[in-house]
Amino acid sequence: LAKTTQPISMDSYEGQEVNITCSHNNIATNDYITWYQQFPSQGPRFIIQGYKTKVTNEVASLFIPADRKSSTLSLPRVSLSDTAVYYCLVAYNQGGKLIFGQGTELSVKP
Amino acid sequence: EAGVAQSPRYKIIEKRQSVAFWCNPISGHATLYWYQQILGQGPKLLIQFQNNGVVDDSQLPKDRFSAERLKGVDSTLKIQPAKLEDSAVYLCASSSIISGTGTSYNEQFFGPGTRLTVL
Repeated sequence: LAKTTQPISMDSYEGQEVNITCSHNNIATNDYITWYQQFPSQGPRFIIQGYKTKVTNEVASLFIPADRKSSTLSLPRVSLSDTAVYYCLVAYNQGGKLIFGQGTELSVKP
Repeated sequence: EAGVAQSPRYKIIEKRQSVAFWCNPISGHATLYWYQQILGQGPKLLIQFQNNGVVDDSQLPKDRFSAERLKGVDSTLKIQPAKLEDSAVYLCASSSIISGTGTSYNEQFFGPGTRLTVL
């Protein structure tokens, strides 16, 4: 049974690097992992996506180890405006299932 | 570029009543998704359309939920009759299928959602 697991909450301070890990079982070599950010009363917003090793864009990095049993979203130098809920989504090519994690509530403090 | 539009934004009904939600995806996006997001949980996929065909509706409670995308653009999600446990935010998203290295993945663009309260 496909399942994604994330920590429920994390605290950080402005300027720190934050790493949020998502555990996903039974993930195949070509299954994509995507991270979304959600603010209250809004729909999720795309952050980053990948399926192997490391991906970096202007706002985050995504690390996927060789065993692919987990992935880590890295947010460099967070600010107060990064306070939000972060979700990982795994797109399972076999069966075409899209499974979201339960979300990690990140609180950034001054 | 206009985003995904949803209406209404809020709806309050009594149990056993019917309700319908509307979604207008981003122009040109072939794939449309409906999600249910219960408070404190991640979104759960209810149904996925590719143009006007259903790709996945395995988690749609078909005894009370229905969805259609007749012309491959707008979509409507209906609940009839509603139950208390249907109280949630209903999110619509759309995407273009991107293929690469023999696989495909979706960057989904979400609408603001419809918050449904069933009393």
